[in-house]
Amino acid sequence: TQLLEQSPQFLSIQEGENLTVYCNSSSVFSSLQWYRQEPGEGPVLLVTVVTGGEVKKLKRLTFQFGDARKDSSLHITAAQPGDTGLYLCAGVGGYQKVTFGTGTKLQVIP
Amino acid sequence: DAGVIQSPRHEVTEMGQEVTLRCKPISGHDYLFWYRQTMMRGLELLIYFNNNVPIDDSGMPEDRFSAKMPNASFSTLKIQPSEPRDSAVYFCASSPTGGGNTIYFGEGSWLTVV
Repeated sequence: TQLLEQSPQFLSIQEGENLTVYCNSSSVFSSLQWYRQEPGEGPVLLVTVVTGGEVKKLKRLTFQFGDARKDSSLHITAAQPGDTGLYLCAGVGGYQKVTFGTGTKLQVIP
Repeated sequence: DAGVIQSPRHEVTEMGQEVTLRCKPISGHDYLFWYRQTMMRGLELLIYFNNNVPIDDSGMPEDRFSAKMPNASFSTLKIQPSEPRDSAVYFCASSPTGGGNTIYFGEGSWLTVV
């Protein structure tokens, strides 16, 4: 079983603060995705990173894929209440098997 | 374009009853995934199909769970008999070429077994 551990599990911060979420595994993935899930809905894709060391930016969100393609990070600059949600990383392995991480629940307080 | 459609949206059933969850993937998508989400275990992959063929069912908890995909536009996940520990949100998702591209999730089927 390919396990993806995310840290922290929970995060409650004030609006305007910065934060980083980590996704770690002992397995190598062909690509890694980040999703955000809001209550009562399914996860929605934010980004896919493919190349080791790759960095992608989506407005205030910065995603990085580790050089060895085993880990990833998500950095949010100047968090807004609209960023509140459950953030999930997902590793794509053999035969397109997609395994999700343990999740990070983020609350941004106005 | 319609997204992934799941039914029922909510179900409450008694222990021992059969539960059938249904999914219609996005037209043209050739991968279909069934996930289960709980507070304790997060989002777990149960089984996934490629072109209607099961590729990996190693996440199916036990023999009480079964999944079928009789055609490209329909899949079912069945639990028989159901138990309280099966209470969870069950998500169906589809993808055009598998994990490399976006996986589109349905809104989930919220199952409570009492």
